[in-house]
This record gives sequence, C-alpha cells and structure tokens, in this order.
Amino acid sequence: GENVEQHPSTLSVQEGDSAVIKCTYSDSASNYFPWYKQELGKRPQLIIDIRSNVGEKKDQRIAVTLNKTAKHFSLHITETQPEDSAVYFCAPAVYNFNKFYFGSGTKLNVKP
Amino acid sequence: NAGVTQTPKFRILKIGQSMTLQCAQDMNHNYMYWYRQDPGMGLKLIYYSVGAGITDKGEVPNGYNVSRSTTEDFPLRLELAAPSQTSVYFCASRSGGRAFFGQGTRLTVV
Repeated sequence: GENVEQHPSTLSVQEGDSAVIKCTYSDSASNYFPWYKQELGKRPQLIIDIRSNVGEKKDQRIAVTLNKTAKHFSLHITETQPEDSAVYFCAPAVYNFNKFYFGSGTKLNVKP
Repeated sequence: NAGVTQTPKFRILKIGQSMTLQCAQDMNHNYMYWYRQDPGMGLKLIYYSVGAGITDKGEVPNGYNVSRSTTEDFPLRLELAAPSQTSVYFCASRSGGRAFFGQGTRLTVV
C-alpha cells in the first residue's frame, strides 16, 4: 500500500505567520492529493485537494502545491489565525481508488 | 441531508463483551470505510466496502468484522472486546475523491 509521511509532526507559529506542512508518498500512480483538517474532538474534514494535472491550487489563505517528480505535496497556510489550530492530515491516492491511507498528522498550534 | 451518521457517540464495554457500531449515509455513496484513531495518533483503516455485498480488509482488521447488505449501512462488529480496542472510531463514505466522515464513536474497553 501507499507509504505516507508527513513533516513536521508538530508546528507552532505566531498568529499572522505562515505555516507549511509537507506530505511525501511512495505510490507513483497516485493522482489525487487532499488535505484534511481535524479540530480537537471533531471529525476530519476536507479543506483542499488537487489533481495531478495541476501543480498548485489556492483557496483564500490555504494552498496546496504538488511536486510529482519528487512525490511530495505541501499545504500552505498564510496569515494564520488561532482557528487554524488543528491536526492536518494528507491522504494521497489514486482517484476513484478503493482505499486510502492517511499520513500520521501534523499538529498546528497558532499562538495569539 | 444528514451525511454520515454514527451511533452511539460514546460507549464503555467490559473485556470480552461484543457490540456493533452503526454507520449510515444518505448520499448514495458506494465507497464506505471504517477507521480507528488512537489518542494523538493518525487514522488507521480497519475495513472498507466498494458497494453492497463487497467488503475488504484494511491495515488493522483483527478483532473486527463488517457487513454491507445495503448501500446506506456499514456496521462494524467488535467480538470479544479487548483494552487495545479502546479508540475513537470513524466511519466515512466517499464520492469521487472527497471523503465525508461521521462524528465518531468513542469506545472505552475496561
């Protein structure tokens, strides 16, 4: 199955700073790259995703960039706010896949 | 639409007891999944289903069983509960790439 690694495992930033989380995967067939956000005690929810025919996608303060050659993609959060504090998971997969695996998660703490 | 609904939200089991975690979705998704999440950890795939009557194992299936008799329902059965099964269990369904999660069931085995 897919071997997925996320870095860093924890990240602490000051409010207003930027945060970057990297996800590395092993399956070269992967063509779908989502990021999920899980607030404390809540369910994971999709916040942004990208297909392999696109190198970058942006949605307000969040963006995802993809480097298919190096087999990694990253989540970028600009102008961080306290409500961005959560655990973020990547889950690369082959689109219309049967199963998908999550990275180990990155705990982001935004200090006011 | 309710999305993905899990019951119960909380449960305490004694070692050796059995129970079924219920999961239902009203989005007509073919793909459904069960994950477990231990404290401070990621999500581990237990079982998944690609449609009614079809199920398959994930990463950590031991101690669990599933069935999928309808598109809507995907129950997870725990037989002979063990302390190692203390966790939060999430059910999810998928359309295209996006997964939709239930609110989770917090299970404690004592």
